[in-house]
Amino acid sequence: AQTVTQSQPEMSVQEAETVTLSCTYDTSESDYYLFWYKQPPSRQMILVIRQEAYKQQNATENRFSVNFQKAAKSFSLKISDSQLGDAAMYFCAHIRGGSEKLVFGKGTKLTVNP
Amino acid sequence: DTGVSQDPRHKITKRGQNVTFRCDPISEHNRLYWYRQTLGQGPEFLTYFQNEAQLEKSRLLSDRFSAERPKGSFSTLEIQRTEQGDSAMYLCASSSSPDGGSYEQYFGPGTRLTVT
Repeated sequence: AQTVTQSQPEMSVQEAETVTLSCTYDTSESDYYLFWYKQPPSRQMILVIRQEAYKQQNATENRFSVNFQKAAKSFSLKISDSQLGDAAMYFCAHIRGGSEKLVFGKGTKLTVNP
Repeated sequence: DTGVSQDPRHKITKRGQNVTFRCDPISEHNRLYWYRQTLGQGPEFLTYFQNEAQLEKSRLLSDRFSAERPKGSFSTLEIQRTEQGDSAMYLCASSSSPDGGSYEQYFGPGTRLTVT
């Protein structure tokens, strides 16, 4: 069974600084996808970034980028130039190819200090 | 595109009562998912529909839970004889057919259930 582990229950960062959120996963599949979702307080979950396992290049979306280490089964999220609006729960998620079931980690609560 | 909507947003019920939640997916999405999220946890998969067919159910979905998606449009999730352990946020998500490996699921705001 696939598992996703986020070892940092909480993180904080100063506004305009950079922060990295960690995620490791366990799978025996070769075809899978990884995601970072953001869940602001009392608001719906939105997709931040997606990585296909077959791609060696790390995904980037504006201030958000990932460090995908396939052999180590690690998928960390880097947020550059942190903004107050980045404060939220961040969930790492995995889905194997052909499945429809997202498997989430327990989340990391990010606080951005002004 | 109005996004995924869920109704109600909050529901307080007494133990033993039945509750029903509704989810309206993004209109062109043929896949619909239900997840449950308890405090301090990530969402956990409950069930999945492709059009009107329910294709997968988690073992978390006990006999007291039933989900439908008539005509492949909106979906309902019913919980019968609610228990305090059912208190959670129930999230709905929708997706279009994988196209080039999209697999992006769009989430609704959730229905927060409190069982007293």
